[in-house]
Amino acid sequence: AQKITQTQPGMFVQEKEAVTLDCTYDTSDPSYGLFWYKQPSSGEMIFLIYQGSYDQQNATEGRYSLNFQKARKSANLVISASQLGDSAMYFCAMREDSGYSTLTFGKGTMLLVSP
Amino acid sequence: DVKVTQSSRYLVKRTGEKVFLECVQDMDHENMFWYRQDPGLGLRLIYFSYDVKMKEKGDIPEGYSVSREKKERFSLILESASTNQTSMYLCASTLNNSPLHFGNGTRLTVT
Repeated sequence: AQKITQTQPGMFVQEKEAVTLDCTYDTSDPSYGLFWYKQPSSGEMIFLIYQGSYDQQNATEGRYSLNFQKARKSANLVISASQLGDSAMYFCAMREDSGYSTLTFGKGTMLLVSP
Repeated sequence: DVKVTQSSRYLVKRTGEKVFLECVQDMDHENMFWYRQDPGLGLRLIYFSYDVKMKEKGDIPEGYSVSREKKERFSLILESASTNQTSMYLCASTLNNSPLHFGNGTRLTVT
């Protein structure tokens, strides 16, 4: 079974609008972390935001926020006020704290922001 | 700022060749990783290392080996390259449970 599921292969959004990228995860480990990375066409992987399983509040970093719903095992990324430079591939990833520091990645969502 | 450097951005090799992909990090990170990225499949873990001379298999280790003789350097080795190993290879490093820091990737083509 997949540990990280990103059901949206591609998403379109207009500039200045908000967009939500979906991510669900599967783990029996009580302690874990969830990450989002951005990969623009240049290929570099850019860390965006982190949510720990015991964090009481949803993580936020500037225009990025993580909508963490633990009971539903979802960790959706919300980008507010989209910009053209947000066009990229976005990956959700999970680290289970019982093991090594390895990250398991989803298949990614391609976001295209139009003017 | 953490810097993870992969020695080649693009590489073209022939089937059967032995291929070395090199990765160096400058922040004294204990943990280093090799992933491959393929369209529609996301990133898949090949091997990782949590200390010098230590290595662990990831999800898809077949056809690969690794070497970590020094803390800052983690090498991925394709013993006999095959066309199905054509891919983007990403190296990453981390200290404890901090986010992974990635290199810029090596796009390998095996013909």
